[in-house]
Amino acid sequence: GQNIDQPTEMTATEGAIVQINCTYQTSGFNGLFWYQQHAGEAPTFLSYNVLDGLEEKGRFSSFLSRSKGYSYLLLKELQMKDSASYLCALMDSNYQLIWGAGTKLIIKP
Amino acid sequence: IAGITQAPTSQILAAGRRMTLRCTQDMRHNAMYWYRQDLGLGLRLIHYSNTAGTTGKGEVPDGYSVSRANTDDFPLTLASAVPSQTSVYFCASSPQGGSYNEQFFGPGTRLTVL
Repeated sequence: GQNIDQPTEMTATEGAIVQINCTYQTSGFNGLFWYQQHAGEAPTFLSYNVLDGLEEKGRFSSFLSRSKGYSYLLLKELQMKDSASYLCALMDSNYQLIWGAGTKLIIKP
Repeated sequence: IAGITQAPTSQILAAGRRMTLRCTQDMRHNAMYWYRQDLGLGLRLIHYSNTAGTTGKGEVPDGYSVSRANTDDFPLTLASAVPSQTSVYFCASSPQGGSYNEQFFGPGTRLTVL
């Protein structure tokens, strides 16, 4: 079966850097997604990794290690608007998304 | 319309009643999905459709049915609602099913079954 783990909640300071980790176990893998979800809103796409390494997109970067079943989302120069939940999701062998429970990120001034 | 719309925004429903949640997209995406989101759990796939005229079961299909008569619409029906179906329901779409594609989400329907 599949399993995804990510921390329930994290707190960081405005202007700082935060790393949100995601570990997974799966028998089939077609990539790993990160989505952002503000409270009461729909998830929105942030990044997709299918090969090992770091993908950088502005203030956000995502890293994948397939051999370790590990990914992280790195957020730099944190802004108050980054307060949200961050969802890790793996795409399984059937191209369906299996979602983690999400990490609630709280940004303090 | 731009993107995906869902209706209603929220609903309170008596147990045993029938309810259809509506979802419409104008992006001409082939694939559409229904998820439920419950506190402390990840999004869970209820049903999906890779193209008009076809549907498939996700992780938690029991008590729900879907149809896909055309590309744009993907309604979700609860035949006889139960309290455990209280949740936030998200509809999503992607350009193609069965391949890597970013999914685009509607604003959600908050359903309470009493």
